[in-house]
Amino acid sequence: GAGVSQSPSNKVTEKGKDVELRCDPISGHTALYWYRQSLGQGLEFLIYFQGNSAPDKSGLPSDRFSAERTGGSVSTLTIQRTQQEDSAVYLCASSLAGWVYEQYFGPGTRLTVT
Amino acid sequence: AQSVTQLGSHVSVSEGALVLLRCNYSSSVPPYLFWYVQYPNQGLQLLLKYTSAATLVKGINGFEAEFKKSETSFHLTKPSAHMSDAAEYFCAVSESSGGSNYKLTFGKGTLLTVNP
Repeated sequence: GAGVSQSPSNKVTEKGKDVELRCDPISGHTALYWYRQSLGQGLEFLIYFQGNSAPDKSGLPSDRFSAERTGGSVSTLTIQRTQQEDSAVYLCASSLAGWVYEQYFGPGTRLTVT
Repeated sequence: AQSVTQLGSHVSVSEGALVLLRCNYSSSVPPYLFWYVQYPNQGLQLLLKYTSAATLVKGINGFEAEFKKSETSFHLTKPSAHMSDAAEYFCAVSESSGGSNYKLTFGKGTLLTVNP
């Protein structure tokens, strides 16, 4: 079946612009996660959704970062006023509700802030 | 707080040789442990997981890992490397209880090179 998909695959933006990154989870997966992969910090947890609610936003690095999920499916990660340190690969993952540790990852969105 | 240490950021082996990628963890509670593989420009793929059942875990592509509580280790092995195994490998840990088992903490990764 279809896996987790993310769009765009690559995004280049100018410093100070806002960007939106999209994630389509596997059908039937009620749990959704965002991670960030950067050279300096490795893989970091950003946020966890169960349905449309985000019980854990503890990994969001600043208030410029926000995420929402609608219809228990698609999620959007928004970064406002992008900075160069936001350059990274943003990975989305999803899982079944009762198996939150068995996460399936998408291919990621590579964000470059110039 | 949990943490994962992967010894060796880069491991190089010959085709047909044993693959050994090392992972040590630190956790206040018995953890769940995972190995993921990442091929260039792709997302992470789950190789295998330990969730407190058998301590020797077999995964996809001929990989296996053994949970050793006394050594706080979860090393990944494969008896005979194949060229297609060249990728980056990540060890990860999550809590097995306490309501935060969704939060994976990853090691820095080990890049495996396979030489012909």
